[in-house]
Amino acid sequence: DQQVKQNSPSLSVQEGRISILNCDYTNSMFDYFLWYKKYPAEGPTFLISISSIKDKNEDGRFTVFLNKSAKHLSLHIVPSQPGDSAVYFCAAREVQGNLIFGKGTKLSVKP
Amino acid sequence: KAGVTQTPRYLIKTRGQQVTLSCSPISGHRSVSWYQQTPGQGLQFLFEYFSETQRNKGNFPGRFSGRQFSNSRSEMNVSTLELGDSALYLCASSLVGLQDSGNTIYFGEGSWLTVV
Repeated sequence: DQQVKQNSPSLSVQEGRISILNCDYTNSMFDYFLWYKKYPAEGPTFLISISSIKDKNEDGRFTVFLNKSAKHLSLHIVPSQPGDSAVYFCAAREVQGNLIFGKGTKLSVKP
Repeated sequence: KAGVTQTPRYLIKTRGQQVTLSCSPISGHRSVSWYQQTPGQGLQFLFEYFSETQRNKGNFPGRFSGRQFSNSRSEMNVSTLELGDSALYLCASSLVGLQDSGNTIYFGEGSWLTVV
């Protein structure tokens, strides 16, 4: 059973608007959450992370929100740019260090 | 500084064969972890090596194994290949182990394995 779920396989957004990527998890023992971005033929690139003791972390256009009671996190990108088009992976870290990834959401930002 | 380097980038193998993939971490990084990416399952953790010792292992059969050398370079081996092993195998390195707080990991570009 999947511990980290990204229920939307794809998302299409207009340039300049907000992109919201969602991620749900089932294990309340995860202590750290990360978002990675992946372009075709490249390895994932770290984007932003959040500790389980926080509810928000912001870095430029990227903000991650964590709702522990709902076991839900989201990545907001604003404003969205065509270069943001990629697959976004949500990952959760178990206490022993394993990273559990979601299956990814393909974001397309249209000019 | 140089990133994580994986070789080979692409390879084709036949069912039943074995394959060895190599990963050179970022200089100074001691932890190397391996992941399998397939369209159906997404990114799945295989194992982590730190200072030549396997620290963590994901839920994969014993056909998947790895090792790490004293210079932190790592190899993973898959024996008795099956068609379902066709995937992108990603290696990632980090300065300290995955367990440690606030750490981020850096991925290589991956090795594309096709089993026919």
